[in-house]
Amino acid sequence: DAGITQSPRHKVTETGTPVTLRCHQTENHRYMYWYRQDPGHGLRLIHYSYGVKDTDKGEVSDGYSVSRSKTEDFLLTLESATSSQTSVYFCAISEPGTVNTEAFFGQGTRLTVV
Amino acid sequence: AQSVSQHNHHVILSEAASLELGCNYSYGGTVNLFWYVQYPGQHLQLLLKYFSGDPLVKGIKGFEAEFIKSKFSFNLRKPSVQWSDTAEYFCAVNRGGYQKVTFGIGTKLQVIP
Repeated sequence: DAGITQSPRHKVTETGTPVTLRCHQTENHRYMYWYRQDPGHGLRLIHYSYGVKDTDKGEVSDGYSVSRSKTEDFLLTLESATSSQTSVYFCAISEPGTVNTEAFFGQGTRLTVV
Repeated sequence: AQSVSQHNHHVILSEAASLELGCNYSYGGTVNLFWYVQYPGQHLQLLLKYFSGDPLVKGIKGFEAEFIKSKFSFNLRKPSVQWSDTAEYFCAVNRGGYQKVTFGIGTKLQVIP
């Protein structure tokens, strides 16, 4: 498995509180992604990064922000958590320009907003 | 915008039955195509991928997929499923040269012993 670590793996938080999820990689891949997985919706891209301090929005970015100050770390912040953000969050990494440009996924973070 | 359609959301098969999961995409240019598998409680793992060349791609665990450009399809097949194939399967596409990957909604496969 690719060296991707997500933390925490599980979190319960209250509505209205800020939450930060961390993705750490040891593969030195340039691209990093945050997806959320919900039944009936597959995986939906929240934000992605194509380099340090270079990020862009995905299809479901409202209510989320990201930061990437180092190649190895990509943080996802829920500015004020809502129940609709209860989900499983997956981080992924990839490296462009090679034949192995598929995404490698972390183990996931199960977030519950109560 | 590109999209990915997986037509079968929940499939139930008996062991040794043949499997075919449909995947269609909407983008007309050069594409890279993927099938991922997610076993219960686990993360997504790559099953197989198509970038170029032979449109029949073989992956791990006896799975294969065929890219039919004229039909915008990349269907996943396995001649004889096992109970251990019970999982959710995701088709994914990205445009050649771009990194954003679009996933289908997934197909849950349940194999009955």
